[in-house]
Amino acid sequence: AQTVTQSQPEMSVQEAETVTLSCTYDTSENNYYLFWYKQPPSRQMILVIRQEAYKQQNATENRFSVNFQKAAKSFSLKISDSQLGDTAMYFCAFMKLVGGANNLFFGTGTRLTVIP
Amino acid sequence: DSGVTQTPKHLITATGQRVTLRCSPRSGDLSVYWYQQSLDQGLQFLIQYYNGEERAKGNILERFSAQQFPDLHSELNLSSLELGDSALYFCASSVSGWDTEAFFGQGTRLTVV
Repeated sequence: AQTVTQSQPEMSVQEAETVTLSCTYDTSENNYYLFWYKQPPSRQMILVIRQEAYKQQNATENRFSVNFQKAAKSFSLKISDSQLGDTAMYFCAFMKLVGGANNLFFGTGTRLTVIP
Repeated sequence: DSGVTQTPKHLITATGQRVTLRCSPRSGDLSVYWYQQSLDQGLQFLIQYYNGEERAKGNILERFSAQQFPDLHSELNLSSLELGDSALYFCASSVSGWDTEAFFGQGTRLTVV
């Protein structure tokens, strides 16, 4: 079974500073996708960034980047120049392909607060 | 707008009742997922359908059931409702294959009183 672990239930960061959210996962698969989703107070799930396991280069999306360590099964999210709008719950997710369909598993989330 | 539509947005019902939540996936997406998120909790995977067939089952109670119709919309049926079933229920959809990602609807907030 696949598991996704986020060991930081809550974090805070000063506005304009950098913060890193941790995620580890357990799988025997070789091909899979990893995602970070953001859930602001509106409760909408918003995709922040994704990483294909077969790519060694770390994904980046503007102020968001990941540190993907496949051997260590680690997938951390770095938010640079934090903004007040980044305050949200962040979920790490794992997706694998099974029989032509995708299975998506989530971690328990990290609540991030950006302090003005 | 993710393209995934969930109805209704809010639902209040009494214990013991039965409700149906509806999800219309993005055009072209064959896979539909249902998740339950209780207050301040993570997303618990309930069930997944792919092109009309059940593909994966998570922690879904026997009182809950789901199906995906030929037009690919999906319904989640919750029966004999209990107070603990109050939660936000998300539907997500994705295209089959590797180069894909899941798109979430805005959720249905169910309150059981």
